[in-house]
Parts: sequence; structure tokens; C-alpha cells
Amino acid sequence: DAKTTQPPSMDCAEGRAANLPCNHSTISGNEYVYWYRQIHSQGPQYIIHGLKNNETNEMASLIITEDRKSSTLILPHATLRDTAVYYCIVLNAGKSTFGDGTTLTVKP
Amino acid sequence: DSGVTQTPKHLITATGQRVTLRCSPRSGDLSVYWYQQSLDQGLQFLIQYYNGEERAKGNILERFSAQQFPDLHSELNLSSLELGDSALYFCASSVDYPGLVRDEQFFGPGTRLTVL
Repeated sequence: DAKTTQPPSMDCAEGRAANLPCNHSTISGNEYVYWYRQIHSQGPQYIIHGLKNNETNEMASLIITEDRKSSTLILPHATLRDTAVYYCIVLNAGKSTFGDGTTLTVKP
Repeated sequence: DSGVTQTPKHLITATGQRVTLRCSPRSGDLSVYWYQQSLDQGLQFLIQYYNGEERAKGNILERFSAQQFPDLHSELNLSSLELGDSALYFCASSVDYPGLVRDEQFFGPGTRLTVL
């Protein structure tokens, strides 16, 4: 599975959009980009995934660049409850490596 | 609630001991994954089972072993425990039907293991 790089931490004002970047320059053609988040020490929660098209669901939007070497998770209206560690992973089959993620802190 | 259950919630034991962690996947999910998360660290993938067979292996120590039973529940066995094995252990499950693109994993609440 391809390795991902994320900033260790980010802040966002409550009500504003949170844009979390992820680099995955070694991604291969059949690998998907997945995003999860972990609130405190709870089990991680699936957010969204995509291959090459942008995706949107009730939680977030995923923007994948045309060359697929990076992506951005967008939380359109961040709330205090969105404070969590956000993990970007790429995988097709095999081992699931989560990395260190980005700690997003939403501030009032 | 993800539908994945893990028992026990907390476990305190001594060095050198052996423990078993149990995971029940969501109904219908064929794949079970085990992860270890030490204090302030990311999730380390240990092992995946699919329909009773080992499918993928991560950085799992030889002192650790896992299995998935015919009813699809899974157990993670940790033996000769060391202080450094203290961590949160998460189980996740996914549908993972043949031919289905790798789908999302649903995580349980975890078992917090403390080795004294």
C-alpha cells in the first residue's frame, strides 16, 4: 500500500470549512483513498473514500487531484465535535497502514 | 455504535502472562482486522482474517496470534506479555465479498490492555 503524508496538526474555527490535505505520491492506479477519524480513544470511524472522482456524502467531501498524488478532505461546517485525529490511507488489498494522521482542533 | 463488539473493555495483567481478546464482527462481515495503538501513536495493523483464513499480516509479534472461528468471531492471543504491550487493541470488520472493491472497515470500541 502507498504511503501517505499528512500535517501533524491543524486548527479550524467553528462553523468554517476544514480542509485537510494528504499526499500520496506513490499511489497506484487501483488504490483507493480512504479517510477515517478517531475521536479521543474511540474506535476509528469511516468518513469517505474515492478512486479518482470527487466524492461527497453527508459527512464530508473528498477532492482528489487529477494525477491522484494528493487529496483533500473537506468538512464544510466544522463543529466542536469534529475535533479528532483524521487519517488518510490508500489501499487496494493487503495491509492497512494508518500512519500518524492530522489532529484537527475546532475552536469556538 | 458500529456493530462490532469487543470484550473485555479493560484488562489488567502482569508481565509474562497470557491474555485473549475477543471480537465479534458486524453481522454479515467476513473480514476481521486487528490493530494495536500504543499511547499517542497511530494504529498499527497486526493481522487480517477473511472467512476463517489469514489474509494479510502486519507487524504482529511472534508472541501474538489470532484466529477466526466458523461463526466469524475472532480472538487475539497475546502471550509472554511485556510492559510495552500495554495498548489499545482494536478490532474492525468489513464485508469484503469476493469481487467487491475493498470497502470500509467498522471499528469496535477497543480493549485497553495494561501490563504491570
